[in-house]
Amino acid sequence: GAVVSQHPSRVICKSGTSVKIECRSLDFQATTMFWYRQFPKQSLMLMATSNEGSKATYEQGVEKDKFLINHASLTLSTLTVTSAHPEDSSFYICSAGGLAGGALVYEQYFGPGTRLTVT
Amino acid sequence: GNSVTQMEGPVTLSEEAFLTINCTYTATGYPSLFWYVQYPGEGLQLLLKATKADDKGSNKGFEATYRKETTSFHLEKGSVQVSDSAVYFCALSVRNTGNQFYFGTGTSLTVIP
Repeated sequence: GAVVSQHPSRVICKSGTSVKIECRSLDFQATTMFWYRQFPKQSLMLMATSNEGSKATYEQGVEKDKFLINHASLTLSTLTVTSAHPEDSSFYICSAGGLAGGALVYEQYFGPGTRLTVT
Repeated sequence: GNSVTQMEGPVTLSEEAFLTINCTYTATGYPSLFWYVQYPGEGLQLLLKATKADDKGSNKGFEATYRKETTSFHLEKGSVQVSDSAVYFCALSVRNTGNQFYFGTGTSLTVIP
């Protein structure tokens, strides 16, 4: 399967600061990238879907001004958590969608996740 | 709408026991079905998938069969190992929904020696 990387893997920031998380698809061009949030012992919650070169589509209840998503190229999407607060502490996972490696089925390839802790 | 219902955990098994994690779905179109595994502190890895009725996905001793008549995709393994301890997510995608994935709530599996 395709390889998706995320950076950083862990980040600790102070309340009120902004944090940027990068998601890269390393070996295929992802026209669509997805951002998820996962709380402890819970499933993934889709935050937004981003298509290369256009604005992200946010799920209901997700603040678009707080969670800024940029998908400037086919291999990179970024999530910026602005003015972070302790309640934003979570595990953030990105995925890149596409037909990689000759696959016949649309799949999502997940990054390893970023653990954000806001103090 | 589209949704996935997964057996609640946690599940604790002894090594070499038989594993079944139930998953049923509802879908507005013709879905592809997936099982993902998440090891502690890591992201999700695709375990297996099936794209049409009666397809059987298999990987690392795990199997799941796409049953359209019962709208199910139960995960099975004949003999679990300690290294199988993880959280397992059932998921579906339907092309006419922008390829969005719908995940179950996850089932935590712990295998004890």
